[in-house]
Amino acid sequence: GQNIDQPTEMTATEGAIVQINCTYQTSGFNGLFWYQQHAGEAPTFLSYNVLDGLEEKGRFSSFLSRSKGYSYLLLKELQMKDSASYLCAAELDSNYQLIWGAGTKLIIKP
Amino acid sequence: DAGVTQSPTHLIKTRGQHVTLRCSPISGHKSVSWYQQVLGQGPQFIFQYYEKEERGRGNFPDRFSARQFPNYSSELNVNALLLGDSALYLCASSIPGQIKNIQYFGAGTRLSVL
Repeated sequence: GQNIDQPTEMTATEGAIVQINCTYQTSGFNGLFWYQQHAGEAPTFLSYNVLDGLEEKGRFSSFLSRSKGYSYLLLKELQMKDSASYLCAAELDSNYQLIWGAGTKLIIKP
Repeated sequence: DAGVTQSPTHLIKTRGQHVTLRCSPISGHKSVSWYQQVLGQGPQFIFQYYEKEERGRGNFPDRFSARQFPNYSSELNVNALLLGDSALYLCASSIPGQIKNIQYFGAGTRLSVL
């Protein structure tokens, strides 16, 4: 079966660092996506990892361990506008379909 | 360039009715995927179309159907609506076959079934 787990909600302080974890179990795996979704809006692409390791893109970094079925999204220098849901999605290698986690709601406090 | 556009934005229907949702992909994108997102959950895959052919289908009943037109736009049809069909329906377009098959989402159609 296909399963993706991520925490339901996290709280962090403006200016701090937060790490959002995602574990996955899929039959066939191509890569791992992270999307950001503000309330009432469409998901927007943040990162894609296909190889093990850390990929850094400005304040956001994403890590993947294929052997452990594990990924995390690291957000640095948090801003109030980072308050959103963060969705991880596993891409299946058979047909490029995405299997999504339920999302982690990140609350940023001043 | 225009992003993925969906219409209508909001829709209210009653049980038993049918609904048609529309999606126009980003210019040059030949693949369209449809997702259902219930409040507080991640998107659930419904269909994927590429070059007018169905490429994948999620675990949804036959009441759900879709098609893709020669201009790569797409329609999602839902028959015999149930209260549980109330959700945000998202359309995403992409260019399959690339190393990064990034899906770009439209703003969605919020369907309320009463």
